[in-house]
Amino acid sequence: EAGVTQSPTHLIKTRGQQATLRCSPISGHTSVYWYQQALGLGLQFLLWYDEGEERNRGNFPPRFSGRQFPNYSSELNVNALELEDSALYLCASSLVHAPGPEAFFGQGTRLTVV
Amino acid sequence: AQKITQTQPGMFVQEKEAVTLDCTYDTSDPSYGLFWYKQPSSGEMIFLIYQGSYDQQNATEGRYSLNFQKARKSANLVISASQLGDSAMYFCAMREGPTNAGKSTFGDGTTLTVKP
Repeated sequence: EAGVTQSPTHLIKTRGQQATLRCSPISGHTSVYWYQQALGLGLQFLLWYDEGEERNRGNFPPRFSGRQFPNYSSELNVNALELEDSALYLCASSLVHAPGPEAFFGQGTRLTVV
Repeated sequence: AQKITQTQPGMFVQEKEAVTLDCTYDTSDPSYGLFWYKQPSSGEMIFLIYQGSYDQQNATEGRYSLNFQKARKSANLVISASQLGDSAMYFCAMREGPTNAGKSTFGDGTTLTVKP
């Protein structure tokens, strides 16, 4: 069974441009979570999607947005890129949301803003 | 106040020995889950072990066990019989109830180095 897959693996953008990151969850998983991990730091929660709806978002500006498609895959968009947006972006999926089920992570997209 | 605190930025352990990675947490929610993840240098997050706030027994998964002390709000990870492949960054994380739905809070991580 395929795990969580993310694309692209690496992405280089210029300041002010837009970046689009994609995530395909494990088959049957309806919840998708996005996290940002700046170099050498822990993960910061970005967004949670479940059943096509945005359910919660972290303390990030509105230029971080996304959506979830009917097949439960998800897209993260970052507009007006800033140098500080350079980070590893990790996507995770789970079957249902509860304190219990663990989330499985993809390998991440490393975004570099120059 | 930080919700997840990992006080050990770096730890060293001799191969085949046991090591404990510390994690303390802060929440007022009675329902929460605690997780540990391993992140090798390649970047992927690997789920290791989970403990629910209502679980009576400490979680164990192979060489990993979670020393859950609810009153002290600690959830330390114990790795027995360390292997060279255990060298990685380890993150403690918490997922709380409805008010923080969908959001896991992560600590800053502990870098574990296993010496041969």
